[in-house]
Amino acid sequence: QTVVTQEPSFSVSPGGTVTLTCGLSSGSVSTSYYPSWYQQTPGQAPRTLIYSTNTRSSGVPDRFSGSILGNKAALTITGAQADDESDYYCVLYMGSGIRVFGGGTKLTVL
Amino acid sequence: EVQLVESGGGLVQPGGSLKVSCAASGFTFSGSAIHWVRQTSGKGLEWVGRIRSKANNYATANAASVNGRFTISRDDSKNTAYLQMNSLKTEDTAVYYCATDYYYAMGVWGQGTTVTVSS
Repeated sequence: QTVVTQEPSFSVSPGGTVTLTCGLSSGSVSTSYYPSWYQQTPGQAPRTLIYSTNTRSSGVPDRFSGSILGNKAALTITGAQADDESDYYCVLYMGSGIRVFGGGTKLTVL
Repeated sequence: EVQLVESGGGLVQPGGSLKVSCAASGFTFSGSAIHWVRQTSGKGLEWVGRIRSKANNYATANAASVNGRFTISRDDSKNTAYLQMNSLKTEDTAVYYCATDYYYAMGVWGQGTTVTVSS
């Protein structure tokens, strides 16, 4: 069974830059997995940030960007703000209609 | 404004059944695929399944963890998608979200409905 991996936690200073990654337990992530990224704060529904590797969803600030870095998908936040403190999830498309979430990364801004 | 509203959550005994709904507005529901995603308390998100449009033969796909127990359907005349859950287990206790499909990703999300499986 393929597992989608994310860092359990990460911290960044206000104004700093952080890159969260999304990998596979076996193999490399490519654009063919159509990686997407979601932000969730406690008690709220998720919000879509990035789809198809690097396309920002409507209304998402341009300090959020997606890419492929090495063998992983990546979400980079440039100029982190206090309200970026959230859980971040990636999703990979596995084919045959199947999607798999990563375990999520808890981002702390301090 | 695109909007999804889930309903029908509640308390059900292990082994029981429950059907939750996802009412859509603000977009052409009949042409859109819909996903279901769940989140157990304090834990991460889990993709449950999705249903495609009539043009794509209402094709469904489910996560292995719910295969054979959960069924996704839709009624385009009511702009509503459904998640029928049978043979429920305590580990199915979660907030269930529906979301639109957009370029292989989830697009707009509903606010969720809570399902509790307990005796």
